[in-house]
Amino acid sequence: SQTIHQWPATLVQPVGSPLSLECTVEGTSNPNLYWYRQAAGRGLQLLFYSVGIGQISSEVPQNLSASRPQDRQFILSSKKLLLSDSGFYLCAWASGRRGGYTFGSGTRLTVV
Amino acid sequence: DQQVKQNSPSLSVQEGRISILNCDYTNSMFDYFLWYKKYPAEGPTFLISISSIKDKNEDGRFTVFLNKSAKHLSLHIVPSQPGDSAVYFCAASSGGGADGLTFGKGTHLIIQP
Repeated sequence: SQTIHQWPATLVQPVGSPLSLECTVEGTSNPNLYWYRQAAGRGLQLLFYSVGIGQISSEVPQNLSASRPQDRQFILSSKKLLLSDSGFYLCAWASGRRGGYTFGSGTRLTVV
Repeated sequence: DQQVKQNSPSLSVQEGRISILNCDYTNSMFDYFLWYKKYPAEGPTFLISISSIKDKNEDGRFTVFLNKSAKHLSLHIVPSQPGDSAVYFCAASSGGGADGLTFGKGTHLIIQP
């Protein structure tokens, strides 16, 4: 069966520090991968999506970047965190066919 | 500009009664709609979906209705149970959905005993 792993679960980082969140998928090949963010009092905002290795599409200009070095690995990064980067970050995958996306358990990032 | 709108931030329903969650959209290109359920500190879980070629889809206690002319969909939960208390997100996609889902801001459903 397919599973998605996301870590860490919680993270507290100072302003200006770097960030690296990792997401891996098991049990499937060539998935579409997504990074979403839920900021306080807001819905789920799509940040990046990837349909293959090295292919990244950005939905919102921001202080973040994403990379897909392997088929089932998706990384969210920042060189210097801002206070506004705080939020709940979710990785998701889809098989490419119509159907529900599967989300990871999320990372609660607090920038202080 | 928010393309998927859930205008009720919260909804309180008595256990055993029907819960109706509403969602409106503005993008005519959306052709697939989904509902997700989310508990605190967890990722959303898929609940039910509907294609734009249908107006109703039912799965157990959950039914989603789609009114394309009004660009409106709703999720009915009957009977409501305490475990249904969660945040419900409406989402939409177009053209296969490879470029991601567009979510509403969510509605916090509270089931009162």
